[in-house]
Amino acid sequence: GEDVEQSLFLSVREGDSSVINCTYTDSSSTYLYWYKQEPGAGLQLLTYIFSNMDMKQDQRLTVLLNKKDKHLSLRIADTQTGDSAIYFCAESIAGRRALTFGSGTRLQVQP
Amino acid sequence: ETGVTQTPRHLVMGMTNKKSLKCEQHLGHNAMYWYKQSAKKPLELMFVYNFKEQTENNSVPSRFSPECPNSSHLFLHLHTLQPEDSALYLCASSQDREPFFGPGTRLTVL
Repeated sequence: GEDVEQSLFLSVREGDSSVINCTYTDSSSTYLYWYKQEPGAGLQLLTYIFSNMDMKQDQRLTVLLNKKDKHLSLRIADTQTGDSAIYFCAESIAGRRALTFGSGTRLQVQP
Repeated sequence: ETGVTQTPRHLVMGMTNKKSLKCEQHLGHNAMYWYKQSAKKPLELMFVYNFKEQTENNSVPSRFSPECPNSSHLFLHLHTLQPEDSALYLCASSQDREPFFGPGTRLTVL
C-alpha cells in the first residue's frame, strides 16, 4: 500500500544545515518530490528526484534517495530564517495521477 | 494571471449556506485536483479530474460537489457543511507529472 511518513518537527539554528527525512513504502515510485509551504500559502515545488538517481543537488538543496531502504532526505545548507516552513515529501506512482504526500515536517529556524 | 488562482481566499459560512470555491489554472495542464488541509489530516486528496473527467473521488461526503466545465476551471460546490469541514482547500493542476498548487481558500464553517 501507499504510505509516506515524516517526522513532525525540526528546529535548527540559522547558518546550520537542516536534514528532513521521509520514508515511503511503495517500491514502484517513479519520482519523489519535496514541496515547501509557507504560512497562509499553497505548496511550492522545491525539487524532485527520479527514482533511478541517488542524489540531486540544486544550490543549497541536496536530495538523497536510498531506494533499497525507501528513504528520502532533503538537506538545506546554511539554513536561513526564510526557510522556516512546512516541508512535504511526496511520491509519484506509475499509473496514478495524484501524488501521495507525507504529513509534513515543520522546520523552525532560530536566529 | 499566472499559475493557479483560487477565489475566494477566505470564506466564512453557516451550516445552512450554499457557496462555491473556484479554481483556475493558466498553465495549459490537463489534470486538476482538490485537496483538503486541516490540523487533523495534513493533506488529504479529495477529487481528481483528468481531461474534465472525474477519475478519483476519495470517499468525499456528498455535501462537497465538484464541477470541472473545462480543463482550466474547477469548482467545489459546498452545501450544509459541518464545523469539522473548516480547513484550507487547495486546488492543483498538472500535466503528466508534479502538481502546481494554488494559494488555497481558508474556509470557516460556523
